[in-house]
Amino acid sequence: DAGVIQSPRHEVTEMGQEVTLRCKPISGHNSLFWYRQTMMRGLELLIYFNNNVPIDDSGMPEDRFSAKMPNASFSTLKIQPSEPRDSAVYFCASSSGPTSGTTTDTQYFGPGTRLTVL
Amino acid sequence: QQQVKQSPQSLIVQKGGISIINCAYENTAFDYFPWYQQFPGKGPALLIAIRPDVSEKKEGRFTISFNKSAKQFSLHIMDSQPGDSATYFCAASATRDMRFGAGTRLTVKP
Repeated sequence: DAGVIQSPRHEVTEMGQEVTLRCKPISGHNSLFWYRQTMMRGLELLIYFNNNVPIDDSGMPEDRFSAKMPNASFSTLKIQPSEPRDSAVYFCASSSGPTSGTTTDTQYFGPGTRLTVL
Repeated sequence: QQQVKQSPQSLIVQKGGISIINCAYENTAFDYFPWYQQFPGKGPALLIAIRPDVSEKKEGRFTISFNKSAKQFSLHIMDSQPGDSATYFCAASATRDMRFGAGTRLTVKP
């Protein structure tokens, strides 16, 4: 299995631009998670989906952030407009198990997208 | 509010030594406690996890010790190797809420 695939791996953009991060979860997994990692705040859960439905988006920092999962094999995290404080590594993770729909199943992380907003 | 406190921030251990990383949590609703290992440029990977119905879990050189009454848990790495050098994160989870510690950068010197 190829694991969780994220693209792009690196993104450099200017303040005010729209940024779209993409994720392909592991085939057969029905939960998908978006995380943000920074030195200051560590690893934060932004949002997670179960069976393509957003379950908990309480970690999304503000309305500039939005996430979609149009089908079981694809999700996007969009930032519009982007700001320098959004600079971070964004991880996507997926999981599957008998208790899918919770955060307690083993999560498999992608390699991350390093976002730099100038 | 930091719900999972992890210490130390960094740790240097000689090859063959024991590495110990500690975490404490606040929310008694947490019922799943995983440890993740992250190498530079990579995503975190699950190392070992425990649920509060047991006090210890061992997998190879890695052991989790869990103290429910103290709301603390720790990771012990026995016979530490240079290849163990990475950042380690503890986490605590309830059904819909996963919280991570700040991470510990472990360096194992040859």
